[in-house]
Amino acid sequence: QQQVKQSPQSLIVQKGGIPIINCAYENTAFDYFPWYQQFPGKGPALLIAIRPDVSEKKEGRFTISFNKSAKQFSLHIMDSQPGDSATYFCAASIRAAGNKLTFGGGTRVLVKP
Amino acid sequence: DTGVSQDPRHKITKRGQNVTFRCDPISEHNRLYWYRQTLGQGPEFLTYFQNEAQLEKSRLLSDRFSAERPKGSFSTLEIQRTEQGDSAMYLCASSPMAGSYGYTFGSGTRLTVV
Repeated sequence: QQQVKQSPQSLIVQKGGIPIINCAYENTAFDYFPWYQQFPGKGPALLIAIRPDVSEKKEGRFTISFNKSAKQFSLHIMDSQPGDSATYFCAASIRAAGNKLTFGGGTRVLVKP
Repeated sequence: DTGVSQDPRHKITKRGQNVTFRCDPISEHNRLYWYRQTLGQGPEFLTYFQNEAQLEKSRLLSDRFSAERPKGSFSTLEIQRTEQGDSAMYLCASSPMAGSYGYTFGSGTRLTVV
């Protein structure tokens, strides 16, 4: 199973709120889990990534939580700003198998001022 | 070298025509990937190169699609006899082979087949 399921499809929060995006995977061979941010007309940009031997990782206002037993991981955006309004994608790969990314379906986040 | 460059940014073509896209990766990156993204969806893997060798092709890559990476530098993706279903954003990405596993994506080529 190569699928990565992402939810919700869209999210609206007020400035300062904490959007939370969830992803679930089936393939236990996945060993790299990045999150990408994409603005309209642009390619995805790597935000933050985690390996399955770590349960949480923070970079600036972005935090990944990882639950290996549940095969789920999530992105939290702390103190969200209008500039964070974008589409966010989770992904997963097997590093030794070419590191080909399997993406979730994306979440459109709108942060209202 | 500021990132991954893709050319053209937009391409409109008539059904049945051939199109070719170019990708210039970050110079020290050994790996180069092609993905396709349709509206409202996540990118889907098409193929990847390690240096000049094409190591894997997705089932999404029909016989009408071909990719090359001569001399392990830039890459081209050609679509022959385009169909309306080929309309999508074609994304190129590069990464180092070892160490960091993060990709750097280009801004993509938006293909519209009319």
